[in-house]
Amino acid sequence: RKEVEQDPGPFNVPEGATVAFNCTYSNSASQSFFWYRQDCRKEPKLLMSVYSSGNEDGRFTAQLNRASQYISLLIRDSKLSDSATYLCVVNNDMRFGAGTRLTVKP
Amino acid sequence: EAQVTQNPRYLITVTGKKLTVTCSQNMNHEYMSWYRQDPGLGLRQIYYSMNVEVTDKGDVPEGYKVSRKEKRNFPLILESPSPNQTSLYFCASSLFPGSVANYGYTFGSGTRLTVV
Repeated sequence: RKEVEQDPGPFNVPEGATVAFNCTYSNSASQSFFWYRQDCRKEPKLLMSVYSSGNEDGRFTAQLNRASQYISLLIRDSKLSDSATYLCVVNNDMRFGAGTRLTVKP
Repeated sequence: EAQVTQNPRYLITVTGKKLTVTCSQNMNHEYMSWYRQDPGLGLRQIYYSMNVEVTDKGDVPEGYKVSRKEKRNFPLILESPSPNQTSLYFCASSLFPGSVANYGYTFGSGTRLTVV
């Protein structure tokens, strides 16, 4: 089993939709979690950290479920500019998931 | 501007011809790392460095070398490149090793390497 697994997608959603991605991890001792955004052929950029209590940044909500060992990213009111690949990252040594591709269509 | 700078951005080379990809950061970061990204596999760590003269293997170190003679630079060396090293490479840095867990990385813009 991979240490970090994501549904590769692609997720194709209309503008204004709500979309959610999950990311499962195998190391129950993992302490730190992040979501990164990567545009085509560009470097990943930190989108948000994931805190135990869950956290929100505008239209984006990140949650952690330790019991089931997954983190999630919820995007509300999707914009065309949200189209990208979203990478989850787990643990202190930065294990990356393979990414979930999102395309938001007009 | 705080940044991680990689060079070159694109490189096509032939099998066996030694090459170096440079990485430099201007943020006085202690921790630096190299990743390769391949379709369906995500980012995989090649080598990392916790400080000057301290380097360690990541998950896929075979065929690569690194050095950290000064804090700002962390070059990636391919002594004898092979076609299976064709990939997108990213250098990344963080203030100190523990800060990766809290603040994540700053990435360079990437180097797309093709070995023919």
